[in-house]
Amino acid sequence: QQPVQSPQAVILREGEDAVINCSSSKALYSVHWYRQKHGEAPVFLMILLKGGEQKGHEKISASFNEKKQQSSLYLTASQLSYSGTYFCGTYGPSSGGGADGLTFGKGTHLIIQP
Amino acid sequence: NAGVTQTPKFQVLKTGQSMTLQCAQDMNHEYMSWYRQDPGMGLRLIHYSVGAGITDQGEVPNGYNVSRSTTEDFPLRLLSAAPSQTSVYFCASSSSGGAGTGELFFGEGSRLTVL
Repeated sequence: QQPVQSPQAVILREGEDAVINCSSSKALYSVHWYRQKHGEAPVFLMILLKGGEQKGHEKISASFNEKKQQSSLYLTASQLSYSGTYFCGTYGPSSGGGADGLTFGKGTHLIIQP
Repeated sequence: NAGVTQTPKFQVLKTGQSMTLQCAQDMNHEYMSWYRQDPGMGLRLIHYSVGAGITDQGEVPNGYNVSRSTTEDFPLRLLSAAPSQTSVYFCASSSSGGAGTGELFFGEGSRLTVL
């Protein structure tokens, strides 16, 4: 089952903060975050692993609540370059219908205005 | 570094035609996968491979075949194209043994239209 992302869309002024949430109904081993700009490939932002390990860009912060199967991505002091669609991808015992792959949410559209 | 290279970038097919989307990576990654992206749906896993000679189905495998004869290449074959296969296809690879613990490197995508 696809994780649920919220909000679906958000519009910010440059310098404002945003939080994007990702919630799964299933147990998770890891949560991944990607950003995609229009017409381009998704780009890796961060992985949060069960047990607390994180891998990713220093300027991006996120949290992973293993018990609630929830993750949040925190974008602070937003810049124009942060605009795009953010996807969370979850990985667990039955991701992708049992396959070894990420199950992605439908995305959160972020627009940063000057 | 080329990373993950997909060809073609654009393709128009007629219903019933077959074609192959090519994917090659030069990072010596064992794990490779194919996703399709449809508006408002996110990315959905079609097939994946954890090494040469090993492939398996993902969430939406019907109508697609894959093979992995080398570490570098992971082609996706559409056997008999249908309008429902109109989509943007992304190939992705990872240095980790599977999808769960490593960064996915995506190709630039292949936009397929089936008439």
